[in-house]
Amino acid sequence: DIVMTQSSDSLAVSLGGRATINCKSSQSLLYSSNNKNYLAWYQQRPGQPPKLLIYWASTRESGVPDRFNGSGSGTDFTLTISSLQAEDLAVYYCQQYYSAPFTFGPGTKLEIK
Amino acid sequence: EVQLVQSRAEVKKPGESVKISCKGSGYSFSTHWIGWVRQKPGKGLEWMGIIYPDDSTTSGIRYSPSFEGQVTFSADKSIDSVYLQWSSLKASDTAIYYCGRLTGRSSTYYYYAMDVWGQGTTVTVSS
Repeated sequence: DIVMTQSSDSLAVSLGGRATINCKSSQSLLYSSNNKNYLAWYQQRPGQPPKLLIYWASTRESGVPDRFNGSGSGTDFTLTISSLQAEDLAVYYCQQYYSAPFTFGPGTKLEIK
Repeated sequence: EVQLVQSRAEVKKPGESVKISCKGSGYSFSTHWIGWVRQKPGKGLEWMGIIYPDDSTTSGIRYSPSFEGQVTFSADKSIDSVYLQWSSLKASDTAIYYCGRLTGRSSTYYYYAMDVWGQGTTVTVSS
């Protein structure tokens, strides 16, 4: 199985600030034949189901504010949230869908400082 | 509106069986893989596997090795529903179970993220 790790269990950021969440995979998620990274980011607010934010590592899901940006390739990926708002309080998960089982990272809890 | 609606919460005793459901609407249900994800209390997300409603034979099901033999996926495409069932529950099965739609439309290719999620079904197993 591909193991997904996230650099922080939790992160405290001030309103209006920038949050950077890192995710690392145990093997490359870049498929050479189509040059796509099989990596998604999800947001889970308290008491809610997960919500897809980013797929193919950097493609924003429809309706997701452009404050959310995904980057990275291969084994190292980053979710950046700029102009942090109170509604961004949530746990953020990365997930690889390169190889089944499609494993999730352990999650990073974003707190407002 | 595209949505997945899951069945209500269940409270069961160890050793009992249960079957929970996930019903789709607002899109062509049979042509998208559906995934199941477990979330134990206060913990992260665990991928259980996927099912293709238009072919719920063995070729249209993929279990995570961690869950194979412990749960069963099934589908009834005539009513746009998929199911997750246990034949003998354990206390360690206590969790919220989510279904989610994979974004791509293909019977043979399922390497996609999940863009639409159900609200979750809480299964509590306690004596």
